[in-house]
Amino acid sequence: SQQGEEDPQALSIQEGENATMNCSYKTSINNLQWYRQNSGRGLVHLILIRSNEREKHSGRLRVTLDTSKKSSSLLITASQAADTASYFCATDNYGQNFVFGPGTRLSVLP
Amino acid sequence: GAVVSQHPSWVICKSGTSVKIECRSLDFQATTMFWYRQFPKQSLMLMATSNEGSKATYEQGVEKDKFLINHASLTLSTLTVTSAHPEDSSFYICSATPQGWDSPLHFGNGTRLTVT
Repeated sequence: SQQGEEDPQALSIQEGENATMNCSYKTSINNLQWYRQNSGRGLVHLILIRSNEREKHSGRLRVTLDTSKKSSSLLITASQAADTASYFCATDNYGQNFVFGPGTRLSVLP
Repeated sequence: GAVVSQHPSWVICKSGTSVKIECRSLDFQATTMFWYRQFPKQSLMLMATSNEGSKATYEQGVEKDKFLINHASLTLSTLTVTSAHPEDSSFYICSATPQGWDSPLHFGNGTRLTVT
């Protein structure tokens, strides 16, 4: 069954604006990861946040995790056209497997 | 580091033929690799977990006789789509992690399969 569910499914913003994507999941997790996929390519790992962490930063990326609500958010600040891609959250269920959400398609308009 | 190479990047084949896709970890050893299938504008669907030296673990609904997985070495897993049909046309992606679970996955660039 689907574990991660991203929201929104699609997002269009202007260059320079911030983009926020949310992810919800259903079961206990060991960690939650965010990935980016450019069209027709493989996925690139962005950030891994563990279940005992609440917030993590990497450059213009900020990820939060709320285990009580079983949700996570990815914030991209000062977006650039190169950020246009699909973003997926994936949950690691203690080594059972990685389950990917349906993704958010982000379009950053110049 | 942690580069995963997938080959070919695209392939066109006729119905009834078989196609082999390779997934290599170039600078690390991977006892476990994952194979995914992705339809346009959709998420990745895990097909199977490939285990070096043993049989692959297939997800429910994935035909093991249709999608043959071989993981003969610590750096190579192959997915063979046997007797391909147009409905098998899709984007196939492999991934691996050098550190086992609780670490990021590294993905190949995917293979676009078109069956005519």
